[in-house]
Amino acid sequence: KQEVTQIPAALSVPEGENLVLNCSFTDSAIYNLQWFRQDPGKGLTSLLLIQSSQREQTSGRLNASLDKSSGRSTLYIAASQPGDSATYLCAGTGNQFYFGTGTSLTVIP
Amino acid sequence: GAVVSQHPSWVICKSGTSVKIECRSLDFQATTMFWYRQFPKQSLMLMATSNEGSKATYEQGVEKDKFLINHASLTLSTLTVTSAHPEDSSFYICSATKAGAQGETQYFGPGTRLLVL
Repeated sequence: KQEVTQIPAALSVPEGENLVLNCSFTDSAIYNLQWFRQDPGKGLTSLLLIQSSQREQTSGRLNASLDKSSGRSTLYIAASQPGDSATYLCAGTGNQFYFGTGTSLTVIP
Repeated sequence: GAVVSQHPSWVICKSGTSVKIECRSLDFQATTMFWYRQFPKQSLMLMATSNEGSKATYEQGVEKDKFLINHASLTLSTLTVTSAHPEDSSFYICSATKAGAQGETQYFGPGTRLLVL
């Protein structure tokens, strides 16, 4: 059974810092890897999608990488802003979605 | 733990028919449920937010008359794809929000794959 773990569970950084969120999965047989952000009381917002054949994707200040051989994905956020404060989820897709445990990020002004 | 189920897990239908997908929170009450869909090689996208006893809130670009959402109880939300067409073929997933001492947590259903012929 696929298990997806995110480290750290919570992270607090001062504004302007670069940061890395980690996602690890136990079964490398995933179709793709997605990163989402979740704001309180809201649905998920898709951030980046990495196809199985890809290694990374970039969107603005966000960069996500995927290493299937090691079962890891990272989300890099550059020059963090208070508006980045949210919970970040990764999800691997196989026969169904396997969501990670989430990282709660707080960016302090 | 918190479990969310979806039924059916797979559905194949003819173009023009309507398909109903159920989302249930099995061991908790969910005031809010979310519906998502994912087209092949695309990211999971939020379709609508469903609140018990009130009308659903749809995301921009999602036709509310085509995707009927009913959240009649605290444990059940249904998504009906009306007059389905092949372009509606997608993976539909729901999530349910559980309130806890440390805030709210979303729990996801296993998803429903819809194929419209």
